[in-house]
Amino acid sequence: QIQLVQSGPEVKKPGASVKLSCKASGYSFSSHGISWVRQAPGQGPEWMGWINVYNGDTNYAQNFQGRVTMTTDTSTSTAYMELRNLKSDDTAVYFCARVAGLLASLGPWGRGTLVSVSP
Amino acid sequence: DIQMTQSPSILSASVGDRVTITCRASQDISTWLAWYQQKPGKAPNLLIYKASALQGGVPSRFRGSGSGTEFTLTITSLQPDDFATYYCLQYSSYWTFGQGTNLEIK
Repeated sequence: QIQLVQSGPEVKKPGASVKLSCKASGYSFSSHGISWVRQAPGQGPEWMGWINVYNGDTNYAQNFQGRVTMTTDTSTSTAYMELRNLKSDDTAVYFCARVAGLLASLGPWGRGTLVSVSP
Repeated sequence: DIQMTQSPSILSASVGDRVTITCRASQDISTWLAWYQQKPGKAPNLLIYKASALQGGVPSRFRGSGSGTEFTLTITSLQPDDFATYYCLQYSSYWTFGQGTNLEIK
């Protein structure tokens, strides 16, 4: 079955960077994209961006442009999301989700990675 | 960017009730809309895609409708497992979530 396994929780200080991973299995990794979505405590999900695994093209939400980079390693079927210059309000659970491409819903999803940003 | 306005933010209902949640898009998104259910500590779970198509394994009491800018999710005959938070997601132009509806037991 399709699985997205995300890396473990992270604790970071303001100004630091974090790089999360999302390892996919159960489908052709290069034939789909990966979206990243975050959810702050008590808030709704917020789409951060996506990467077309086939050609490496990315689109980032305006709120994150200049601060986020999404990459993949097709040899290990793993997607990565790096967020730089962390602030306290970046504290959230970060999810990865498979996406067939533009004009496609998101899913399946990983279980999420908690990133805590605190002085 | 397309904005999604979801209402109500909180909905109190009882087992067996029929409930409706609404999402409005800031521009025409055709039927590029999905509905998700989320329970605490879990990832969102896809219920409906393409506005009205039921995802495999989802009970038929979940019904989606609408097109253009106005969409509804109806749950007929609420079951105990249905009390959760629901989100709409537009995917006509990248992806945008609604703010969510917390469906709670009355």
